[in-house]
Amino acid sequence: LAKTTQPISMDSYEGQEVNITCSHNNIATNDYITWYQQFPSQGPRFIIQGYKTKVTNEVASLFIPADRKSSTLSLPRVSLSDTAVYYCLVGADDMRFGAGTRLTVKP
Amino acid sequence: DGGITQSPKYLFRKEGQNVTLSCEQNLNHDAMYWYRQDPGQGLRLIYYSQIVNDFQKGDIAEGYSVSREKKESFPLTVTSAQKNPTAFYLCASSTRGQVRRTEAFFGQGTRLTVV
Repeated sequence: LAKTTQPISMDSYEGQEVNITCSHNNIATNDYITWYQQFPSQGPRFIIQGYKTKVTNEVASLFIPADRKSSTLSLPRVSLSDTAVYYCLVGADDMRFGAGTRLTVKP
Repeated sequence: DGGITQSPKYLFRKEGQNVTLSCEQNLNHDAMYWYRQDPGQGLRLIYYSQIVNDFQKGDIAEGYSVSREKKESFPLTVTSAQKNPTAFYLCASSTRGQVRRTEAFFGQGTRLTVV
């Protein structure tokens, strides 16, 4: 069973910052948090991964509070091409994905 | 180039026939996974393998079978026992370690249609 909870869908407009939060109350001590992006008819692709505090790369930031029971993916200044499904994954042994968050970016 | 390859991209099957989907990776990954995705839905885990000659059932294994005879290959057979096999199938691979920090790589998927 999936160990994470995310909003089913979110809408945004071009140029806005989007924050998607994932709850993972039962995260284990040695679990990392990983986010993936999936476009229609394609396999998901890795976006960002972190363990605690803040991680930033060229496409996103990941904020993880001290208790690590949640995490927030932040997409700065989204464009229409960021319309996709975003999945939060905790740990990795069985790689069970939840339903993900369907982000729609509008012009 | 390293990567994970699924074939074929599109597959048509008659009812009552078994069909095998191919998944090959040259990333030297220990773990491999099969998922099913229905329109507008998330990924559901069918089977996974963390080492050669060993595999575990996922959440929807009924009607499917797998083998892991080589590290590079993890074929999925959709059997006639699978009542509704029309779907998009995705294969993935990843590294393993004591720290649960995994970046998975996915193939481009096989779209199976029962006709």
